[in-house]
Amino acid sequence: TQLLEQSPQFLSIQEGENLTVYCNSSSVFSSLQWYRQEPGEGPVLLVTVVTGGEVKKLKRLTFQFGDARKDSSLHITAAQPGDTGLYLCAGNFGNEKLTFGTGTRLTIIP
Amino acid sequence: EPEVTQTPSHQVTQMGQEVILRCVPISNHLYFYWYRQILGQKVEFLVSFYNNEISEKSEIFDDQFSVERPDGSNFTLKIRSTKLEDSAMYFCASSRRGSGGYTFGSGTRLTVV
Repeated sequence: TQLLEQSPQFLSIQEGENLTVYCNSSSVFSSLQWYRQEPGEGPVLLVTVVTGGEVKKLKRLTFQFGDARKDSSLHITAAQPGDTGLYLCAGNFGNEKLTFGTGTRLTIIP
Repeated sequence: EPEVTQTPSHQVTQMGQEVILRCVPISNHLYFYWYRQILGQKVEFLVSFYNNEISEKSEIFDDQFSVERPDGSNFTLKIRSTKLEDSAMYFCASSRRGSGGYTFGSGTRLTVV
């Protein structure tokens, strides 16, 4: 059974600060995705990474995939209140099944 | 932007009753999925469906669950005899490939009483 651990579980920072959240697994991902989930809604895909060392940017969000494809990070620059939400990492491990982490609940204080 | 549509958004049912949750995946997607999320817990995989058959299922997806693509657009999850522990948000998802980005619907909140 593959497990994904996300850290921190909760993060509360002031508007304008930078932050990084992490996703780790003991197994190698064939692909990894980051999602954002609002209360009562389904996860919304932010990015997919497949190549070790890959870096993708989405405006103020930077996603990095570890060289060994076992970990990933999400860095947000100059956080805004609109970034508040639950950030989930999820991975495929050589099959279609997507395994989700428990998420990082981010709160940006105006 | 194309969406995955789920109905109903909320369903309350009595224990032992059958429920059918409905989904309309994105039209040019070939892979379809059901996931569930019990309140306060992780999103969990239930089943994947490709080429009109189940391609993978989890240990949660036991004999009380079934999926069907009755026509070219709908994808349904049937729970035959609901239990209290089936109360959860059920999410349908679809993708063009078998891995990579998935588009999730907004979910059906199922409450079994």
